[in-house]
Amino acid sequence: QKEVEQNSGPLSVPEGAIASLNCTYSDRVSQSFFWYRQYSGKSPELIMSIYSNGDKEDGRFTAQLNKASQYVSLLIRDSQPSDSATYLCAVNRETNAGKSTFGDGTTLTVKP
Amino acid sequence: DGGITQSPKYLFRKEGQNVTLSCEQNLNHDAMYWYRQDPGQGLRLIYYSQIVNDFQKGDIAEGYSVSREKKESFPLTVTSAQKNPTAFYLCASSSFREGLNEQFFGPGTRLTVL
Repeated sequence: QKEVEQNSGPLSVPEGAIASLNCTYSDRVSQSFFWYRQYSGKSPELIMSIYSNGDKEDGRFTAQLNKASQYVSLLIRDSQPSDSATYLCAVNRETNAGKSTFGDGTTLTVKP
Repeated sequence: DGGITQSPKYLFRKEGQNVTLSCEQNLNHDAMYWYRQDPGQGLRLIYYSQIVNDFQKGDIAEGYSVSREKKESFPLTVTSAQKNPTAFYLCASSSFREGLNEQFFGPGTRLTVL
């Protein structure tokens, strides 16, 4: 079992719809969670971080964390073609140190 | 203008040669990381350093070496012992202040072995 698992995708949604990306992790003591967006041929860009259970909203993006169920999700509202990218989930055992473990990513395509 | 720079953007290597990839950051971050990404796959950690003059092996350190003589710099050497070095190499840094450890990435170096 991988430490961090994501839906392999690809995920395709129409423009204006909600895209839902999911991530599960195996280490129960994980403390910090991140979502990165990676456009084809480019480096990853941090879009959301979440540290406590519940929802965190930033513009059209909402991260949801449920430590009891060991999953973290990313919702993208009003999806735009410019959101088409690979989304990477990353998990860290600690809040203020250490390395993160990345999932393999989910590729999202938003169709006009 | 703060950020992470990597050079070169593209690098071609003949088999049997060592090459060094540069990574510099002016974000005053404590920790730096090197990842490898193969086509269609996620990031795999090669080495990381949380403080100057100290570094730890990641999941795929064989055939690679690093140094951390300055806080701003974390060069990666791909040695001839690395059997399949063609990949996209990403450097990242993070700060541990205020309970945050978000990683920020450089633009990457594409290494091709001829």
